[in-house]
Order: sequence, then C-alpha cells, then structure tokens
Amino acid sequence: DAKTTQPPSMDCAEGRAANLPCNHSTISGNEYVYWYRQIHSQGPQYIIHGLKNNETNEMASLIITEDRKSSTLILPHATLRDTAVYYCIVRVVGVGKLIFGQGTELSVKP
Amino acid sequence: KAGVTQTPRYLIKTRGQQVTLSCSPISGHRSVSWYQQTPGQGLQFLFEYFSETQRNKGNFPGRFSGRQFSNSRSEMNVSTLELGDSALYLCASSISPGQSVTALHFGNGTRLTVT
Repeated sequence: DAKTTQPPSMDCAEGRAANLPCNHSTISGNEYVYWYRQIHSQGPQYIIHGLKNNETNEMASLIITEDRKSSTLILPHATLRDTAVYYCIVRVVGVGKLIFGQGTELSVKP
Repeated sequence: KAGVTQTPRYLIKTRGQQVTLSCSPISGHRSVSWYQQTPGQGLQFLFEYFSETQRNKGNFPGRFSGRQFSNSRSEMNVSTLELGDSALYLCASSISPGQSVTALHFGNGTRLTVT
C-alpha cells in the first residue's frame, strides 16, 4: 500500500504558485520523499526529492516539515504545461521500487 | 543524452498470446525496473533488475517475467495474455539501486491492448 496521502485534485490559476500537499506520517528515518509528475500518455517525470531539508531546483521547491510527516511541493509560477498528475512517494535508499499512490491531479487554468 | 527508450510504443495482442516488451536505459544506467499502469490499479511495480539479476519483484503472477542483458537493456515478457493485462507498461532506469540516492527516469511506455 502507498505510504502517502494526497488530495485527489487541485486547481491553480496560471502564473500563480501551486502548492501540492502530501502526508507521509509513517515515514521512516531512512526514507526520502520523492515527487514525480505524469502528463497524459507520458511516463512519470522526476521533479525533486529530499530527506529533511528543504530543496529547490529549476522545476520546483520541496518543503518538508520538521517532523517529516508531511511535505509540500511548490511550483512557483504554474503554467498550462504543468497540468498533470503529481505523485508523492517515499522511498528507501538502495531500493529501486517506487510505491505510487493515486496522486493529485493538478489543473492549471488560464 | 538520450532518455529511456521503450519499444514498441503500441501493441495489440489476442488473449492467450504472449508478448515481449523492450527497454533501453539511459546510457550509464545499470538498474532497470518495470511498472504496470491501469486506470483501476494505478502504477504498480513489477520487478527490478541490476547487473542481470532480479533484485525485487512485485505481486504479479508468474506469467510476468523479465530479464536484463549485459548491456543493461531489459525485456519483459507476458505469457498467456488476459484481457486484464491491457495496460501501459513503463520502464525506468537509474544509475544503480545502491547506496547513492538516485532518481528513476521513466520511458514513455508501451501501450498494450489485449483483445
């Protein structure tokens, strides 16, 4: 079973920040939080990952709470091309297997 | 650098037949894993290979099998196809499943339709 909980859907206005929450209350100390997204008919695309510190890359920022029980993916300026299903996953280092939940379907609207 | 390549992109088979799907990982990536995606079950892990050895296996029947070659390319095979095997089959590669934290990079999948 997936170890994360996400809202099934969210809307965001184009140009605004999209904040996608994820609950992972049973996360273990050696598990990282990964975010992927899947645009229709394509394979999942890696976005970002983190252990306990906040992370930022050219695509997004990842904010992990101090107790590590939840995190938020931030797309700072959402565009129509960011419309996709976003998956939050916890993964143990050294294990290639990812357990996907149902994800959040983000709709960016003009 | 080329991404993960999966062939064929689309496939139509008849119930009872068998099928082989192919995956070429990113150059330098030695770990390959496979996933099945259906509308009802979402994305589910099938198996993972590293250095030609299966490291992990998901909860799928024995009709689903795979292998990895010395050049890291991988194939998966489904025998005695059932209608429920219709799905998008995704391959992902990473440098290794070892100590380093690496992200999996996915191909765009093979869409299998069983009639």
